[in-house]
Amino acid sequence: NAGVTQTPKFRILKIGQSMTLQCTQDMNHNYMYWYRQDPGMGLKLIYYSVGAGITDKGEVPNGYNVSRSTTEDFPLRLELAAPSQTSVYFCASSRDRIRGVSSYNEQFFGPGTRLTVL
Amino acid sequence: GESVGLHLPTLSVQEGDNSIINCAYSNSASDYFIWYKQESGKGPQFIIDIRSNMDKRQGQRVTVLLNKTVKHLSLQIAATQPGDSAVYFCAELQKTSGSRLTFGEGTQLTVNP
Repeated sequence: NAGVTQTPKFRILKIGQSMTLQCTQDMNHNYMYWYRQDPGMGLKLIYYSVGAGITDKGEVPNGYNVSRSTTEDFPLRLELAAPSQTSVYFCASSRDRIRGVSSYNEQFFGPGTRLTVL
Repeated sequence: GESVGLHLPTLSVQEGDNSIINCAYSNSASDYFIWYKQESGKGPQFIIDIRSNMDKRQGQRVTVLLNKTVKHLSLQIAATQPGDSAVYFCAELQKTSGSRLTFGEGTQLTVNP
């Protein structure tokens, strides 16, 4: 299994441009997530999805959109790029939120997309 | 609002020593606490988790301790190796908040040979 893959690895955008960050997982996971990580900081949840056709906002959804037409893919869309969106973006997936009595289902992360908006 | 935070931003240890990374949390309703390791240029990697009704959980060379009285979480790494050098994040999950993980800001662990 390739796990969680993200494209592109790097991108530079001008203010006002738009782009889509791609995320694909081949583990047949129902749950998928998008996070952003600013320098020296922890990850913040942008959007998540519990299955195809279902998405929900996370902690910092403004300026982003998502869709989930298939189990495998969870693209993140930036419509009008702003310098505040300069960050590293991570996509993750998990089988379910809670697995059993003592453990939750771990989230598997992709390698990230480094985005700079100038 | 509720947050998960770390006491120290950096930790430097000698190879072979034990490492202890600490985390303070404020949301007493959290159901799970998770430790992630992030190497430079990579995504976070799951290390170990602990449910809120447990005090201790052990994995391979790692132990997580949870003190709910003082809302403190720690990750102990035994016989630290150079490959352990990374940023370590604690995160919390509350079942009623959906699938959201709330991450702390991270501790940079450096292992000196």
